[in-house]
Amino acid sequence: GAGVSQTPSNKVTEKGKYVELRCDPISGHTALYWYRQSLGQGPEFLIYFQGTGAADDSGLPNDRFFAVRPEGSVSTLKIQRTERGDSAVYLCASSLSEGSYNEQFFGPGTRLTVL
Amino acid sequence: AQSVTQLGSHVSVSEGALVLLRCNYSSSVPPYLFWYVQYPNQGLQLLLKYTSAATLVKGINGFEAEFKKSETSFHLTKPSAHMSDAAEYFCAVSVSGAGANNLFFGTGTRLTVIP
Repeated sequence: GAGVSQTPSNKVTEKGKYVELRCDPISGHTALYWYRQSLGQGPEFLIYFQGTGAADDSGLPNDRFFAVRPEGSVSTLKIQRTERGDSAVYLCASSLSEGSYNEQFFGPGTRLTVL
Repeated sequence: AQSVTQLGSHVSVSEGALVLLRCNYSSSVPPYLFWYVQYPNQGLQLLLKYTSAATLVKGINGFEAEFKKSETSFHLTKPSAHMSDAAEYFCAVSVSGAGANNLFFGTGTRLTVIP
């Protein structure tokens, strides 16, 4: 079946611009996660949704970052006033339900480059 | 707080040789532990996970890992390396309990297999 998909696969933007990154989770998965992976690092947790609500947004670095999941399926990560330090691969994952023992299935990521 | 340390950012082995990738964790509560593999331009794929059942966990592609509480370790092994094993490997930790869902990743180990 279809896995987690993310669009776009690559995004190049200029400093100060606004970007949106989209994640389509596996159908039926209620939990959705966003991670950020900087060069040479492991993925770093940003935010977690259970259904439509953000259950844990403690990983968002500042108020320029925001994510939504209005219908409990597709999620959009929004970054305002982008900075060069935001350049990274943004990963989305979904799992069948919440619970840390559940396998998280990862998408291929969106590579964001801020010039 | 939870964290993992992966010793060795790069490991090279000859084809057919033993693969050993090291992971040590830190957690104040019983952890769940995971190994993920990332092939170039692909999403993270779960190799195996420890969720407090058997301490020796067998995963896909011939990999296994042993949970050693006394050593706070969860090293990944494979008896005989194959060229297709060349990839980046990430160890991750999570914890049980309500609201505990996000994964904390190590910085990764890049495995090179020499023919």
